[in-house]
Amino acid sequence: EDQVTQSPEALRLQEGESSSLNCSYTVSGLRGLFWYRQDPGKGPEFLFTLYSAGEEKEKERLKATLTKKESFLHITAPKPEDSATYLCAVQTGNTGKLIFGQGTTLQVKP
Amino acid sequence: GAGVSQSPRYKVAKRGQDVALRCDPISGHVSLFWYQQALGQGPEFLTYFQNEAQLDKSGLPSDRFFAERPEGSVSTLKIQRTQQEDSAVYLCASSIGLATNEEQFFGPGTRLTVL
Repeated sequence: EDQVTQSPEALRLQEGESSSLNCSYTVSGLRGLFWYRQDPGKGPEFLFTLYSAGEEKEKERLKATLTKKESFLHITAPKPEDSATYLCAVQTGNTGKLIFGQGTTLQVKP
Repeated sequence: GAGVSQSPRYKVAKRGQDVALRCDPISGHVSLFWYQQALGQGPEFLTYFQNEAQLDKSGLPSDRFFAERPEGSVSTLKIQRTQQEDSAVYLCASSIGLATNEEQFFGPGTRLTVL
């Protein structure tokens, strides 16, 4: 059974304190791994897609990396506005459906 | 430009009532998805449409859940005889093409509370 696990469930950082979020997955055939950001009361907002082991993508203070078993979302010098829930999802098969992890809720304090 | 919109944003239903949730995808998007998100959890897949064809409904939890997209644009998720366990946020997402390897754009969701 395809499965996605994110850790930690919650993370508190001081502004400027860099850290990483983990997404471990077991799937029968990975077509893509997606990172989304979700703010309270809103739908998920797309951040990155990674397709193959070794791939990296960056956007502002965020950098996503992918191996054959897991993905990391590195946050460099975070700011309070980076506070949100970060969701990881995998796509397998041909219908495009996403299988999500439970999310990591990040709080960045000034 | 306009994103994915959903209505109503909030719905309170008494147990046993039927509800209908609407999704307006981004204009021209071929693929449309429904997900269910329980409090503190990630979204869970319910069903997938490619234009008007429902190609995957493997995530619908019971036969009380029904979705349609008759003209390949607006979609409605209907829940009959609602139960307390149906309380969740229902998210709609659309993508421009056939969905594989494509970004999905999400709406704000409909928060359903069943009393």
